[in-house]
Amino acid sequence: ETGVTQSPTHLIKTRGQQVTLRCSSQSGHNTVSWYQQALGQGPQFIFQYYREEENGRGNFPPRFSGLQFPNYSSELNVNALELDDSALYLCASSFSVPGELFFGEGSRLTVL
Amino acid sequence: DQQVKQNSPSLSVQEGRISILNCDYTNSMFDYFLWYKKYPAEGPTFLISISSIKDKNEDGRFTVFLNKSAKHLSLHIVPSQPGDSAVYFCAASADSNYQLIWGAGTKLIIKP
Repeated sequence: ETGVTQSPTHLIKTRGQQVTLRCSSQSGHNTVSWYQQALGQGPQFIFQYYREEENGRGNFPPRFSGLQFPNYSSELNVNALELDDSALYLCASSFSVPGELFFGEGSRLTVL
Repeated sequence: DQQVKQNSPSLSVQEGRISILNCDYTNSMFDYFLWYKKYPAEGPTFLISISSIKDKNEDGRFTVFLNKSAKHLSLHIVPSQPGDSAVYFCAASADSNYQLIWGAGTKLIIKP
C-alpha cells in the first residue's frame, strides 16, 4: 500500500509566477484535502476534493485552484504568486469525510 | 481569530514521565477533535481522536481528555519515550464536516 506522495518537495518561484503542486493519494482513498502551513503555524485548510468535485473551501482567494483526477490524484494551482504564499503545502487523503487524514511530506514553496 | 489554541509552543519532559499537552477552543460547534504528531521533513500523522459525546479516549500510551464546559482538551502520554519528541497539533471540526481547524502546535522534547 503506497502512502501519499507529493511533488515537487521544494521549489522556488518569483512573485507573479504560477505554480502547480501534485499529490498522489493513498491507495483506496477518494478524498483529497490541501492545507497551507506557514512557518510556526498550524495547517490552514485550502480546499477538499471528493470524487473529482470540490467539496469545501477555506478562506483562500480564487487564485488558489485545484483539480482531482479519476485516479483520485490531485493538483493545487496558485496563480499570481505573492510573497505570503511562501509556505509548506500539505496534501492529505482519506477514505471518508471527515475521515482520518493521511498526509504527504509536503511541498515547500518559496516565493522571492 | 484563532478558534483552536495551543498556548505552549514547547514542552520539555523527562523520559518515563507523563507528558501533558493542552489545547483550548472557542467554537462550541466543534464536535470532533484530533491530535496529530509531526516529525521534521514529514507530514503530520494521526495519533488519536475524540468525539464530543465522549470525555475520554485511550489508545495505548496516549489518552485524550475532553472538557466541553471548559472548551479544553488535553493529550496525555504515559510513559514518555524519546521517539515521542515531535510537534503535536490539536485539530477540530464542526458538525463532522470536512474542514479541520488546527492549533499552532506544541513542540515536545523528551529528555533522556
